[in-house]
Amino acid sequence: ETGVTQTPRHLVMGMTNKKSLKCEQHLGHNAMYWYKQSAKKPLELMFVYSLEERVENNSVPSRFSPECPNSSHLFLHLHTLQPEDSALYLCASSQLSGTTYEQYFGPGTRLTVT
Amino acid sequence: AQSVTQPDIHITVSEGASLELRCNYSYGATPYLFWYVQSPGQGLQLLLKYFSGDTLVQGIKGFEAEFKRSQSSFNLRKPSVHWSDAAEYFCAVGVPVKTSYDKVIFGPGTSLSVIP
Repeated sequence: ETGVTQTPRHLVMGMTNKKSLKCEQHLGHNAMYWYKQSAKKPLELMFVYSLEERVENNSVPSRFSPECPNSSHLFLHLHTLQPEDSALYLCASSQLSGTTYEQYFGPGTRLTVT
Repeated sequence: AQSVTQPDIHITVSEGASLELRCNYSYGATPYLFWYVQSPGQGLQLLLKYFSGDTLVQGIKGFEAEFKRSQSSFNLRKPSVHWSDAAEYFCAVGVPVKTSYDKVIFGPGTSLSVIP
């Protein structure tokens, strides 16, 4: 595997389910990000982990719970979601330097909440 | 506050025609600027970036962009569009954050359609 991978690619879940999204980066980066991409809306930054520590939580509802067990893996745990949470969830990684800001994205998980 | 605008929501061009996608940013210091492309069902792929130096930067897939500080613009161009260029294009600016992570602000995107 190369780059940033995400599983599953598609997920359909009911409002009472619990599921998790997984992201893995094979680039040796030390920062990872979760973004939400909804139709007709700009990309929304949800969470940032820098050196495995959460450094940004962009007013995201508690029904979304991130986890970063090590610098290569990032999870997004989902529970009691709402239909408006249906979106493409993108994971990204970068190498912290303060001078590049390049982020590398995975293909995303298309989430549908029924 | 920092922001990125892309005035064109949707653009349609004929295959072989030239393309220019517009991007304007609002940021006080010298910006780190990017263009990303997203094909249907895929994540974002970096096309090119500007940090400093030559204001005309070359990217992948035959794209280039020009940084114009006086106009706060970073427009993306391609001399001859291919059908495979149909996708969503995002302009973005990198800004420093106290908490030491690479914050990138994305524009709303421009959807490109290519007709044969």
